[in-house]
Amino acid sequence: AQTVTQSQPEMSVQEAETVTLSCTYDTSESDYYLFWYKQPPSRQMILVIRQEAYKQQNATENRFSVNFQKAAKSFSLKISDSQLGDAAMYFCAYALSGTYKYIFGTGTRLKVLA
Amino acid sequence: EPEVTQTPSHQVTQMGQEVILRCVPISNHLYFYWYRQILGQKVEFLVSFYNNEISEKSEIFDDQFSVERPDGSNFTLKIRSTKLEDSAMYFCASSRSQKQIGKNIQYFGAGTRLSVL
Repeated sequence: AQTVTQSQPEMSVQEAETVTLSCTYDTSESDYYLFWYKQPPSRQMILVIRQEAYKQQNATENRFSVNFQKAAKSFSLKISDSQLGDAAMYFCAYALSGTYKYIFGTGTRLKVLA
Repeated sequence: EPEVTQTPSHQVTQMGQEVILRCVPISNHLYFYWYRQILGQKVEFLVSFYNNEISEKSEIFDDQFSVERPDGSNFTLKIRSTKLEDSAMYFCASSRSQKQIGKNIQYFGAGTRLSVL
């Protein structure tokens, strides 16, 4: 069975600094997708970034980038130049190609300090 | 930007009662999902729904649960005879298509917190 693990329940970062959120997953499959979702307080989860497992190149979206290590089954999120608006719960998720469901981690709460 | 809307934001019910959680998916989306998150635990998939049928469900989604698209805009999750352990945040999501799941991302609502007393 596939699992997703986020080992950091909470992280803090100074405004304008860089922070990395960790995510590991377990799967025996080769065709899958990985996601980072952000959930601000009392707001819906929004997609931050996604990665196709068949792509070796790490995905980037502006200040957000991932370090995808397929062999190590690791998918970390780096946030550069952190802003107060980045404060949220961040969820890592896995989706096996051909299925309907996402498998989530427990989330990491990110605090951004002014 | 279009959003998935969930109502109510917080629902309190007595054990044994039935509750209906409501969701309005994004208008041109065809696939609908429910997830739940028990406090301190992972977000768990419950069910996916397409063309008025369940397309996939988890072990959690037993006979106590049902889903329905009663009209062209709403998507509901009914929980019959609620139990204490049903207390959780319930998230609705929708996607335009299910093909190439990674490309057709799921858009989530803000959730309904269900408290069973």
